[in-house]
Amino acid sequence: DSGVTQTPKHLITATGQRVTLRCSPRSGDLSVYWYQQSLDQGLQFLIQYYNGEERAKGNILERFSAQQFPDLHSELNLSSLELGDSALYFCASSSKGTAEGQYFGPGTRLTVT
Amino acid sequence: GENVEQHPSTLSVQEGDSAVIKCTYSDSASNYFPWYKQELGKRPQLIIDIRSNVGEKKDQRIAVTLNKTAKHFSLHITETQPEDSAVYFCAASLTGGGNKLTFGTGTQLKVEL
Repeated sequence: DSGVTQTPKHLITATGQRVTLRCSPRSGDLSVYWYQQSLDQGLQFLIQYYNGEERAKGNILERFSAQQFPDLHSELNLSSLELGDSALYFCASSSKGTAEGQYFGPGTRLTVT
Repeated sequence: GENVEQHPSTLSVQEGDSAVIKCTYSDSASNYFPWYKQELGKRPQLIIDIRSNVGEKKDQRIAVTLNKTAKHFSLHITETQPEDSAVYFCAASLTGGGNKLTFGTGTQLKVEL
């Protein structure tokens, strides 16, 4: 157990809908990273927050947004969902503001029907 | 941006043999190289990492080597055991320059009895 928690574990929704994925980092970690893992795209970095502020951005679609709250938990919002958004979404946390030492949560499996 | 290539995509070894997985990266400024192990349906787990000021790092049966001139790094697993069977991902990052981990496409390692 990495100490990073994610909810929900599974999510099934229809095209066009909006969902929110939640992540709680390890105690003391200030950075949260979001990743998308799909069979055809592999592990893709989406976005990083450090102590409440956006620190780095990857291949995140405009339909997706994220934020980190004062208690350091983070939420990833996915809207206008398409079939191709079906994937595993992981968050990771680290004590550093850089890419080093990231520990992943168990992931949320999103299925868009 | 950074591009990471990983080979082989699948690797089958006999229990007790050694396994080597190789990655190359494109951005010579990258300076942080972690390896993750992902068992089926589980989270990626950080198993070892190396920074560009170090040529080799060992942790029990696993080791990572880095050749900055050739821009490649490798994961070595000795005395393989069935529980080493998993997908292994390499990654590269330029810490302090975007904090983005770029992952390789993964290697499915199967350790046969």
